[in-house]
Parts: sequence; structure tokens; C-alpha cells
Amino acid sequence: SQQGEEDPQALSIQEGENATMNCSYKTSINNLQWYRQNSGRGLVHLILIRSNEREKHSGRLRVTLDTSKKSSSLLITASRAADTASYFCATDERNSGNTPLVFGKGTRLSVIA
Amino acid sequence: GAVVSQHPSWVICKSGTSVKIECRSLDFQATTMFWYRQFPKQSLMLMATSNEGSKATYEQGVEKDKFLINHASLTLSTLTVTSAHPEDSSFYICSAKGQFGFYEQYFGPGTRLTVT
Repeated sequence: SQQGEEDPQALSIQEGENATMNCSYKTSINNLQWYRQNSGRGLVHLILIRSNEREKHSGRLRVTLDTSKKSSSLLITASRAADTASYFCATDERNSGNTPLVFGKGTRLSVIA
Repeated sequence: GAVVSQHPSWVICKSGTSVKIECRSLDFQATTMFWYRQFPKQSLMLMATSNEGSKATYEQGVEKDKFLINHASLTLSTLTVTSAHPEDSSFYICSAKGQFGFYEQYFGPGTRLTVT
């Protein structure tokens, strides 16, 4: 099953600009996580935000979570060419200890030098 | 941090043959492991959930007789693609949840399968 929907599907920006990606989901969650994936490679965990948190920062990353709207956003500031990758949100359903993460469709980010 | 490995990292096989992919939790015991499949330019789709010592639970549309999953120990799960066809060519990723950390799920680096 696929729960998250990322928006936009693809994003192309110039180096130095900020990139914003959005994610919507359908059920109640324990947490929401963002991952990066370079072409043909494995997942890199970026950040986890719990359902009782509204905003979290990690370096150039800023994640927000609005549980009332069932949505999250990932902001990458001062983007670099090395940020070019696909970004996925993934949700962990509430009250389920052994359920898998459910991934959104992803946003393909291209940062042009 | 917890580490999950997969072997092989890539494999090419002929149509009709079977391929086994291993997923190991290296420094923790994984009570539950998940297998995902990812086609080019698409997201990860859950194939099945396996719990140590019990039968795997497959997602709708995934053929359990074609994708055999064995979770024989707390550190190893295997996925065998039987009678592989070119349409099975994909990126297969496993993940593991341990007995600690309610939220933590750790991903392997993935296995690229190409069926010719």
C-alpha cells in the first residue's frame, strides 16, 4: 500500500536556491520520516519527526508536520548540486509496532550548478 | 547505529532461473523484516513482512509462490525469486525492525536484479 503523496513529482532549481517538497498521508501516524535516494542507490535516512512535533531542523534541512492536515514539508536551504536525488516521505502508522514504513511516490530534485 | 546488509548487491540471471537475496541485521536482532521492490523512477512498494519463525505476510498482488521468503533466524531473512522473468528485474530492498526502538526501521543497501 502507498500512503504518502509527494508534491511536486519533480523539481529543478539553481544551486543556492531553496527546495520545498510536500507530503500528504492518509492515516494516523506515530512518526514521519524523510529519506534521500541517489539514482540506483540505497536509502539515506534524513530526519524523523514524531507526531507530537511540529517542526524539526537538521543542518540545512527543515521539516514541518501538520497532523490536522496530514501533511509534511521538507525544506532544503541553500541547495547544492550534491542534493540532486529523489526524496521520499515515509510514515509509521499509529499503534502498530511491527508495521512497515509506507513510502510516498517521491520528488525528484535536480539542482543545477 | 544498526546495520543491515544485503547480498548480493547486484545480480544478473537468465529467465527461468531462481535467485536468492539475503538480508542480514549485523548488530541487532530483527524480529521483523520487510521486503520492498522498487522499479525505475518509482517509489518503494512493500512486498511482504516476515517475522522470525513464522510465515511471511504478502501484500496484495505479490505472488507468494514466486517470491519465497524465509526468516529462519533473528538476523537473517532471504527472498528467493523463483522462475525469474524480465519483468521481475527491479531493485529489492530489505529493512529490519529490532526488539529495541519502537520506531526504528533500518534499511539494507538494496539488490539490483536484472533478468535477461
